[in-house]
Order: sequence, then structure tokens, then C-alpha cells
Amino acid sequence: DAGITQSPRHKVTETGTPVTLRCHQTENHRYMYWYRQDPGHGLRLIHYSYGVKDTDKGEVSDGYSVSRSKTEDFLLTLESATSSQTSVYFCAISDPDSYNEQFFGPGTRLTVL
Amino acid sequence: DAKTTQPPSMDCAEGRAANLPCNHSTISGNEYVYWYRQIHSQGPQYIIHGLKNNETNEMASLIITEDRKSSTLILPHATLRDTAVYYCIVRAPGAGGTSYGKLTFGQGTILTVHP
Repeated sequence: DAGITQSPRHKVTETGTPVTLRCHQTENHRYMYWYRQDPGHGLRLIHYSYGVKDTDKGEVSDGYSVSRSKTEDFLLTLESATSSQTSVYFCAISDPDSYNEQFFGPGTRLTVL
Repeated sequence: DAKTTQPPSMDCAEGRAANLPCNHSTISGNEYVYWYRQIHSQGPQYIIHGLKNNETNEMASLIITEDRKSSTLILPHATLRDTAVYYCIVRAPGAGGTSYGKLTFGQGTILTVHP
């Protein structure tokens, strides 16, 4: 399995609090992605990164920000969590010098009360 | 990225071959077919990809029609652990333009393998 870890794996927080999820990779892949998965919606892209300090929005980026200060870490921040952000969050990585097949982390289950 | 159409669900007996179809009639010449699966509560798992030739790896085989408008993922000897949602995705592999390797997941096919 690709070396991707996510932390925390589970988190319960209250509305209005800031939350940061971390994705860490040991594969030195250039691209990293954050998805969320909700019943009835499948996987939806939140933000992605195509290099250190290079990020862009996905299809559901409102309420989220990201940062990537080094190759191996990609952080997803909810500045002020809302109940609609209760979801399972997946990080993924890919190598543009290959066929860009994406490898996914184990997921973080976030509950906002 | 080209749109794909998959049946919402399929059943298969354990030990038999599971054949999962995917229609992608608007596929472009530079777009590959990728297959992923997601076992309950886990992150999606890459299975295989192909351009126009049939492909096989340790997990599955991918058969792409000559006109490339459809494909079939074959799990040759399905086991209970193959029960999952299977996603067919069509996209160009490179990083050109604003692609950056992004994947668009549809609803996929729920494959249930029965004993």
C-alpha cells in the first residue's frame, strides 16, 4: 500500500471551532488531493495541490482552506466548522510522471455537533 | 473528462467471474479508462487502467472495445472480499492544462459477491 496516513482518524467537534486534518505521504508524489464523501454524493474534490505552496480549489471548496509547506504534508482546515461539514475526508496522492493513478489514505471521520 | 455510465448494482457468486461494464461513448483519443473500488469504510483503491489495449494485472483484467466506447472490468474469481463499489473513470492521465490528475467519481456499481 502507498505510504499515506491521515490524522486524526476520528474527530468530534462543535460548530464554530477550527479543525485541521493532516495528510502525510512518504511516496514523494507531487500531487495531493482532499475529497469528502457523503451518502448520496459519492466522492467530491475539495482542494488539490500540484506542488509545494501550489494549491487550487475543487468542486466543493467553500468553507475549507489548505496548505502545503512541504512535499509530504497537505493540511485541510475548516476555519469555523459547521454541521454540514460532517463527513468522511479522504486524502489522495498521485505522480504526474506516471499515469496519475491516485492512491488514497484511510480516511478521517469528522463529526460536527 | 468524458462521462461514464455504470449499472447501479450487480451480483456475483463466489468463485465465478465478475464482469462489470462501463459505457463511455464520448471518450476522447487521449483519455484513459481507470477503475477504482471502495470497500466499505475504506479509501478508494486503484485497480487498473488502460488506453485501448486489453490490460491485466494481479487484481483484474480490463477489456476495452475497439471503438473505445465501452469497457469491462473482469475479476476472474470473485471472493467475498471483492464486495465493494466499483468506479469507472475516464480521463487524460497527464498534468496538462488544469487537469492535474483530478478524478471525478460517479455513483459506481455496487458489486455484491454471494457465498
